[in-house]
Amino acid sequence: NAGVTQTPKFQVLKTGQSMTLQCAQDMNHNSMYWYRQDPGMGLRLIYYSASEGTTDKGEVPNGYNVSRLNKREFSLRLESAAPSQTSVYFCASSEPTPGGNQPQHFGDGTRLSIL
Amino acid sequence: SQKIEQNSEALNIQEGKTATLTCNYTNYSPAYLQWYRQDPGRGPVFLLLIRENEKEKRKERLKVTFDTTLKQSLFHITASQPADSATYLCAAADRGSTLGRLYFGRGTQLTVWP
Repeated sequence: NAGVTQTPKFQVLKTGQSMTLQCAQDMNHNSMYWYRQDPGMGLRLIYYSASEGTTDKGEVPNGYNVSRLNKREFSLRLESAAPSQTSVYFCASSEPTPGGNQPQHFGDGTRLSIL
Repeated sequence: SQKIEQNSEALNIQEGKTATLTCNYTNYSPAYLQWYRQDPGRGPVFLLLIRENEKEKRKERLKVTFDTTLKQSLFHITASQPADSATYLCAAADRGSTLGRLYFGRGTQLTVWP
C-alpha cells in the first residue's frame, strides 16, 4: 500500500532555479494538499485541490504554482526559487466530507534547500 | 490568525507516566478535532478523531477529550513508553466546509525517557 508518494525526497537548488515537486496518491481521494513545514511554524497550507480540475490558494501561496494533473497527481512548482522557500514540503490527500471528519494522509516529504 | 494552538512546544515525561497534551482553538467552532503523530523525517500520521458531541474517545493507550465550553481538546497517552516519543499535532476544519481543508497546530514534541 503506497498511499501518498512524493518525489524527490531531497533536493538542493540555487536561487533563481525552477523545480517541480511531484505527488501521487493511490487511494482514489478527491482532495489533495500541499503544505510546507518550518521549525516553529507548523504545517502551513500552500495550495489545495478540492477535486480534479480545481485548485485554490492556502495560507502561503506566493512563489508557488500547482497543477492537478488528474485525480491521482498534484504537482507543486517553484518558478524562481528563493532561500525563503527552503523547507520541508508535504503532500496530503483526503476524501472531503462536511466539517472535516476524514483524516488526511501524508507523504514523507521533500526536503528542499535553496542556496 | 492562528485558529489552533498547542501551547506546549515540548513535554518530557518518565516512562510509565501519563502524558497530557493540550490543544486550544480560537475564533471558530469546529465540529471535529483530529490528532496526528509525526516522527522525525516522516509525514504526519492520523491517530484519532473526536466529534463535538463526544466527550471522550479511546484507542488502546490513547484518550482524547473535547470540551466545547473551554474550547479545548486534551490528548492523553497512558503508561507512556519511549516509543511514544514524537511530535503530536492537533487539527480541525471549518464547520460545514466540504473542502477537507484542515488547520494544524504547531505541535508538541513529546519525549518519554526510561
